[in-house]
Amino acid sequence: AQSVTQLGSHVSVSEGALVLLRCNYSSSVPPYLFWYVQYPNQGLQLLLKYTTGATLVKGINGFEAEFKKSETSFHLTKPSAHMSDAAEYFCAVSEWGNNNDMRFGAGTRLTVKP
Amino acid sequence: DGGITQSPKYLFRKEGQNVTLSCEQNLNHDAMYWYRQDPGQGLRLIYYSQIVNDFQKGDIAEGYSVSREKKESFPLTVTSAQKNPTAFYLCASTGSRDRGILIGELFFGEGSRLTVL
Repeated sequence: AQSVTQLGSHVSVSEGALVLLRCNYSSSVPPYLFWYVQYPNQGLQLLLKYTTGATLVKGINGFEAEFKKSETSFHLTKPSAHMSDAAEYFCAVSEWGNNNDMRFGAGTRLTVKP
Repeated sequence: DGGITQSPKYLFRKEGQNVTLSCEQNLNHDAMYWYRQDPGQGLRLIYYSQIVNDFQKGDIAEGYSVSREKKESFPLTVTSAQKNPTAFYLCASTGSRDRGILIGELFFGEGSRLTVL
């Protein structure tokens, strides 16, 4: 069965600094990969997704992620952090895109310091 | 605006009481899901339904029950058999299909926080 590991439960960056949130997955078949963002006491909102095709995926709010099959990774980056980026971020994987088997990582809480 | 509405947002109950959380969507999505979120554990699937009058257990279904009498509605009951019910509960839906499989992103409600006293 597929699984996701997010390295680092808490990440702190300064405003304007690079944001890098790490996600590694395991899947026996081609994965669909997702990054979601959650603000306090709210639901999850999709940031970006990889299904097939181009391995560099751009999402909302200036975030992007690169699918690296050889490294089984899907790290999330943003060149310059903004205070409004402070939230919890979840990486998720589903095999062949089957939502009934979607697996979420434990989450990474991003703090942005002024 | 289309979306998913969960209610109530906050709920307090005494031990031993059953509680029902509401989830309504007007996105015309076929599939609906219930997840439980605990700190540091991500989201875990409780139940899902791909079509009206049909639903399947997820990874942590024990102590929970659901119904799907209408396409728009997928209520979750947290029963007294659930040993540790205090958590944040998220409802989601999706409507994209490929080769009969529901794929693509999940759309989430804003969640219901249940605290059992």
